[in-house]
Amino acid sequence: AQKITQTQPGMFVQEKEAVTLDCTYDTSDQSYGLFWYKQPSSGEMIFLIYQGSYDEQNATEGRYSLNFQKARKSANLVISASQLGDSAMYFCAMREPYGGATNKLIFGTGTLLAVQP
Amino acid sequence: DTEVTQTPKHLVMGMTNKKSLKCEQHMGHRAMYWYKQKAKKPPELMFVYSYEKLSINESVPSRFSPECPNSSLLNLHLHALQPEDSALYLCASSPVGGMNTEAFFGQGTRLTVV
Repeated sequence: AQKITQTQPGMFVQEKEAVTLDCTYDTSDQSYGLFWYKQPSSGEMIFLIYQGSYDEQNATEGRYSLNFQKARKSANLVISASQLGDSAMYFCAMREPYGGATNKLIFGTGTLLAVQP
Repeated sequence: DTEVTQTPKHLVMGMTNKKSLKCEQHMGHRAMYWYKQKAKKPPELMFVYSYEKLSINESVPSRFSPECPNSSLLNLHLHALQPEDSALYLCASSPVGGMNTEAFFGQGTRLTVV
């Protein structure tokens, strides 16, 4: 079974600074996908960024980038120029095959980010 | 339209009540999911529907009964719930298959069982 580990229960960052949220994963599959979601206090899970196991370049989406180190099985999220609105829970997630065309999206334990003015 | 709509947003129900949660998407996704999320915890998968057929049931108690009447709708029927079932219930949808497909989530229903 696959497993996602987020070792930082909470993080603080000053506004306008960059912050890295850690994620490590364990899988025996060669083909997999890694995702980061943001969950504000309102509850909605907002997709941020995706990295495929065969992607040679690190994914970037605006202020979000993913530091993908395949040999270390890590997929850390980097948020540049933090904003107050970035304060939220952040989840790392991975697709896990189940059977046929079905797969599951499983989540790490999350990191609560607080951006301070 | 990349929206998944869940109703109601909040629900308070007694342990003898019967209620239903509703989820709707119009993105043409043929995989739909129910997740349960307790406070300060990650979402836990409950059910997966692929092409309107139940493909994954993560050993969920029978007091939770899912239904997928068509490719756009997903319901979760609730009956005889316990206070520990109080949680945020999230619906999601995605294309079927493909390890690179992101899931789109609704805003969730905050359920309180009294």
